[in-house]
Amino acid sequence: NAGVTQTPKFQVLKTGQSMTLQCAQDMNHEYMSWYRQDPGMGLRLIHYSVGAGITDQGEVPNGYNVSRSTTEDFPLRLLSAAPSQTSVYFCASSYAGTGREPDEQYFGPGTRLTVT
Amino acid sequence: AQSVTQLGSHVSVSEGALVLLRCNYSSSVPPYLFWYVQYPNQGLQLLLKYTSAATLVKGINGFEAEFKKSETSFHLTKPSAHMSDAAEYFCAVSANAGGTSYGKLTFGQGTILTVHP
Repeated sequence: NAGVTQTPKFQVLKTGQSMTLQCAQDMNHEYMSWYRQDPGMGLRLIHYSVGAGITDQGEVPNGYNVSRSTTEDFPLRLLSAAPSQTSVYFCASSYAGTGREPDEQYFGPGTRLTVT
Repeated sequence: AQSVTQLGSHVSVSEGALVLLRCNYSSSVPPYLFWYVQYPNQGLQLLLKYTSAATLVKGINGFEAEFKKSETSFHLTKPSAHMSDAAEYFCAVSANAGGTSYGKLTFGQGTILTVHP
């Protein structure tokens, strides 16, 4: 299994440009999430999905869109990039669990985005 | 709502010394608690998790953490630090809301552990 894969690894955008960060998992996980990591702030949840066709907002959703048409893929779209979106982005996935306790979240290697 | 506070953004220890990384949480419902480790330029890896089965949780690489409800704490310890333990460590909480958390984690700010020879 490749686990959770993310592309690209690095990206530089100009203010106002749009792009899509790709995330895929081959573990048949129901749950998928996007986080951004900024120094001194830990990771913050952007959007998450509990299954194909179902998404919801996390803590910091503004400026980002997601969709989940398949179990495997969960792309994150930046509609009009801003310097405040300079960050490292992590995708994660997990099983729904037994209903009584959560399963481990598996993280991808991250995408380092710079917006100038 | 949940929140996590990690006390100390940087911790420095000597090789062979005790490692203690502090984490306090706030949760309106019984929490699930996690410790993750991040090595430079990598994703996060689960060290251990608390899910109410036992208050003392053992994880990988010799780490363990104790859940103390009265202190709302979940501190991470390792008896003897190794150079390879140098990394950033994150405490996270997930809501035990009706038995499911939907894969949503709230993270602390992170603690960078430095190990000196």
